[in-house]
Amino acid sequence: QKEVEQNSGPLSVPEGAIASLNCTYSDRGSQSFFWYRQYSGKSPELIMFIYSNGDKEDGRFTAQLNKASQYVSLLIRDSQPSDSATYLCAAHSGGGADGLTFGKGTHLIIQP
Amino acid sequence: DAGITQSPRHKVTETGTPVTLRCHQTENHRYMYWYRQDPGHGLRLIHYSYGVKDTDKGEVSDGYSVSRSKTEDFLLTLESATSSQTSVYFCAISESSTTDTQYFGPGTRLTVL
Repeated sequence: QKEVEQNSGPLSVPEGAIASLNCTYSDRGSQSFFWYRQYSGKSPELIMFIYSNGDKEDGRFTAQLNKASQYVSLLIRDSQPSDSATYLCAAHSGGGADGLTFGKGTHLIIQP
Repeated sequence: DAGITQSPRHKVTETGTPVTLRCHQTENHRYMYWYRQDPGHGLRLIHYSYGVKDTDKGEVSDGYSVSRSKTEDFLLTLESATSSQTSVYFCAISESSTTDTQYFGPGTRLTVL
């Protein structure tokens, strides 16, 4: 069974610091990985996706993928109070039209 | 937001009644998905569609059926609602299964009494 594991938190980070969110996945066939942000009562919003080993940067966000370790992470630099949300990690095995496998999410709190 | 709407946005119903949720997209994306989100479980796939009249089951499909007669509409039906189907339901769309970047609708909060 495909599983994606995340620490549920809450993870508390001071404003301006780097927030580090981690995720592991069980299916070695997973090919693409996604980070979503979800505010309370709202729908998931895509932040980044990553397919290749290494780092991918987009503004204050950096996604990191290590397929050998089956590990995905998201770094948020210069954390802002508006970054306080639940962050969902998701994996897709690729090649088919089936959906994503989601982790349960990490609740991030940025302290002013 | 991607052009995705869901209706109704909130619904309260009684056990045993049929319920249909609608997802409508204006992006002309081929793939559409229904997920449910529950505390302690995260998002779980119910059913998905890879084209008009082409659908398949997801992880938690028991008690649900779907239909897609037009590219833009994907319907989720609870034939006889149960309290265990109280949840928030999200529709998602994607253009390509290869990249599978999915965009989510606003959600429907369903309460079954």
